Amino acid sequence: DAGVTQSPTHLIKTRGQHVTLRCSPISGHKSVSWYQQVLGQGPQFIFQYYEKEERGRGNFPDRFSARQFPNYSSELNVNALLLGDSALYLCASSFLDRDSYEQYFGPGTRLTVT
Amino acid sequence: GDSVTQMEGPVTLSEEAFLTINCTYTATGYPSLFWYVQYPGEGLQLLLKATKADDKGSNKGFEATYRKETTSFHLEKGSVQVSDSAVYFCALKGSQGNLIFGKGTKLSVKP
Repeated sequence: DAGVTQSPTHLIKTRGQHVTLRCSPISGHKSVSWYQQVLGQGPQFIFQYYEKEERGRGNFPDRFSARQFPNYSSELNVNALLLGDSALYLCASSFLDRDSYEQYFGPGTRLTVT
Repeated sequence: GDSVTQMEGPVTLSEEAFLTINCTYTATGYPSLFWYVQYPGEGLQLLLKATKADDKGSNKGFEATYRKETTSFHLEKGSVQVSDSAVYFCALKGSQGNLIFGKGTKLSVKP
């Protein structure tokens, strides 16, 4: 069975640009969460979506936004990129939302902002 | 707010040595607790979990016991292998259903 997939694998952008990251959850999973992992740190929660609705949001600026599609895949958008946005962006899927405690992570998208 | 504190690394051990990675948490109530492992160049994998006090999670020779008295969830393994070299993250389930992670502990096992 396919796990969580993310695209692209790597991405290089310039300050001020916009980026879109994509995630496909495990088949049957309805919840997708996004995390940012800065080098040397633990992942930080950005968003959780369940059945196309936002169910949770971390402490990130409004430059970060996300959405979930009818097929449960998701996009994370970041506007006006800053150097500090350089990180590994992880997507995780689970069957339910806050009642499900097992999240499965994808390999991540490595974003470098220059 | 909820938080996780784990021992800083890196931790370097010889093969077959005993491993302990300390983890303590601050939270309202008794959240589910997890250990995740991240191998080089890969995403996070769930290693083990415990959902209530005194539960012991175990997997692949690793163990951790949910201690509410000391708000701890220390990771242990009796005999590490070179293949255990990775970064280990302690985490708790937050009120939004999200995971709250510690900063991670890098483990290097030498043959």
